Amino acid sequence: GIQVEQSPPDLILQEGANSTLRCNFSDSVNNLQWFHQNPWGQLINLFYIPSGTKQNGRLSATTVATERYSLLYISSSQTTDSGVYFCAVNSGGSNYKLTFGKGTLLTVNP
Amino acid sequence: KAGVTQTPRYLIKTRGQQVTLSCSPISGHRSVSWYQQTPGQGLQFLFEYFSETQRNKGNFPGRFSGRQFSNSRSEMNVSTLELGDSALYLCASSLGAAGSEQYFGPGTRLTVT
Repeated sequence: GIQVEQSPPDLILQEGANSTLRCNFSDSVNNLQWFHQNPWGQLINLFYIPSGTKQNGRLSATTVATERYSLLYISSSQTTDSGVYFCAVNSGGSNYKLTFGKGTLLTVNP
Repeated sequence: KAGVTQTPRYLIKTRGQQVTLSCSPISGHRSVSWYQQTPGQGLQFLFEYFSETQRNKGNFPGRFSGRQFSNSRSEMNVSTLELGDSALYLCASSLGAAGSEQYFGPGTRLTVT
């Protein structure tokens, strides 16, 4: 099945810094989503981005489907950005599941 | 529009017992998927239902089962619980077309003692 790799596994920043999280996938996809897992465990949708670029406030994401990677940018980070960020993909066809990467643990210090 | 809801939020069971978890999707969504999250294995897909039919199943033993009702609500059942079944169980809903955006509920945290 499709493989998803996220990097870096851990990232520590000072408040106000910018960061880039990467997601590589091994096959073509018809769905790519970025999530932030809150302290209580819920996955919060950040972006639905199988291709192209999107922005939402301080966050933006780019997926280059032909090269099989996606990037999540966080600018002017805040302590509330801390948590685990997951990339998940669906490879289409008769496959309706999301395959998740192992996540990036982001810690933003004040 | 209300989000995905899951009940109960927390559950403690004893090894050997069985458990049933419930998920109500976003109104209008016909697909419900279940995922298990553990520290060691990460997020793993259990199964997906659409219009009361299981379309996909993950690599889990037969002790894990599910169903979907005509109102799209779904339940998953785990029989003969093992310590390793302790996990966060997450439910997601979507419109159901291939590649649809999925929205997750708050999860049920199951502890097996």
